[in-house]
Amino acid sequence: DAKTTQPNSMESNEEEPVHLPCNHSTISGTDYIHWYRQLPSQGPEYVIHGLTSNVNNRMASLAIAEDRKSSTLILHRATLRDAAVYYCIPHNTGNQFYFGTGTSLTVIP
Amino acid sequence: DGGITQSPKYLFRKEGQNVTLSCEQNLNHDAMYWYRQDPGQGLRLIYYSQIVNDFQKGDIAEGYSVSREKKESFPLTVTSAQKNPTAFYLCASWGGRGLTGELFFGEGSRLTVL
Repeated sequence: DAKTTQPNSMESNEEEPVHLPCNHSTISGTDYIHWYRQLPSQGPEYVIHGLTSNVNNRMASLAIAEDRKSSTLILHRATLRDAAVYYCIPHNTGNQFYFGTGTSLTVIP
Repeated sequence: DGGITQSPKYLFRKEGQNVTLSCEQNLNHDAMYWYRQDPGQGLRLIYYSQIVNDFQKGDIAEGYSVSREKKESFPLTVTSAQKNPTAFYLCASWGGRGLTGELFFGEGSRLTVL
């Protein structure tokens, strides 16, 4: 199974862009890259996922490196509601979703 | 509305007792998952099921058991063999085909051993 490396924590000022990195150097060619976020005492919620090309949705953008060994979740304008733990997860053909320890994002007003 | 319902939300157990956590989904998803989360930690996979009457162990299955008799239901039993069961338990389902689709999570069940 592909392993991921994320910074333990990051800070951002409110209304500024945030770039959350993830290294997944052992990812296979068919693994999608999923991102989820979790607020305290809640279940994680889906943010975005992609395979090779960059992806955008109403919540965020996902930039995937050309060699697919890393990806970056981009929050274009951080709000206080974006403060959460963000998880990067390679999704493999065995339909398993393995969560790492994630990045705890603090948004400073 | 479609979603995943976990119950109970809070549960207290005496040492040596088995407890069962309920997870029901009405999303018509084939795959279901159980995770454990300890304070300040990420989620660890306990068991998962890709289809009715079939399930596989995750990383920390010891001391837990599951069943998948119906598509909608995937209960988790925390047995007395689980030495440190106090944790936040999360159930999820996935209905994607191939490698698309997203995981949906319930609100979690918090188990405390007295």
